[in-house]
Amino acid sequence: GNSVTQMEGPVTLSEEAFLTINCTYTATGYPSLFWYVQYPGEGLQLLLKATKADDKGSNKGFEATYRKETTSFHLEKGSVQVSDSAVYFCALSRSRDDKIIFGKGTRLHILP
Amino acid sequence: EAGVVQSPRYKIIEKKQPVAFWCNPISGHNTLYWYLQNLGQGPELLIRYENEEAVDDSQLPKDRFSAERLKGVDSTLKIQPAELGDSAVYLCASSLGRGESYNEQFFGPGTRLTVL
Repeated sequence: GNSVTQMEGPVTLSEEAFLTINCTYTATGYPSLFWYVQYPGEGLQLLLKATKADDKGSNKGFEATYRKETTSFHLEKGSVQVSDSAVYFCALSRSRDDKIIFGKGTRLHILP
Repeated sequence: EAGVVQSPRYKIIEKKQPVAFWCNPISGHNTLYWYLQNLGQGPELLIRYENEEAVDDSQLPKDRFSAERLKGVDSTLKIQPAELGDSAVYLCASSLGRGESYNEQFFGPGTRLTVL
């Protein structure tokens, strides 16, 4: 079946460090891929998305590239801030009419 | 623009009691979703509405869970009777339901349910 696997947390980094959160997926066809972020006490927010192979989604300094050959959608940021501390969810949807399938989430802690 | 509103934010009940959650989606959003999020897990879809029609309720445990979306706007999710294993966060989301942003879902803050 369709699924998303992302690296387990928590991930703890110092401010200004480089961030990578790995995400791989299993799906038939060409799913759309997403990263959602959940800040403490808030609902999930769409961070970025990519709808076809080799697309790069980007927002707020974060980016992720849709890699069909490795079925991956790793999240990266060049210099993290304390305000980036949150839980990050990788997700996929097979089509515009299909549900979104989420990974388990990765908690990120950024130390000042 | 107001986001997705959910109430209550927190609910503590004893097992076998009924409980209901309410959701008001973003104005103009035709599609409404209810998700269940267990601790340390990602959200899992319970039910999806297109206007007032439930188009995907395959993951809704129908023996104890029910949902409605009268008039295609607000929605209520009910559990009766609640069990210990129902302790989780219940998330509501909405989307436009058309165009390129079809799957861009906007989430509410959730209702954290504790069943004692």
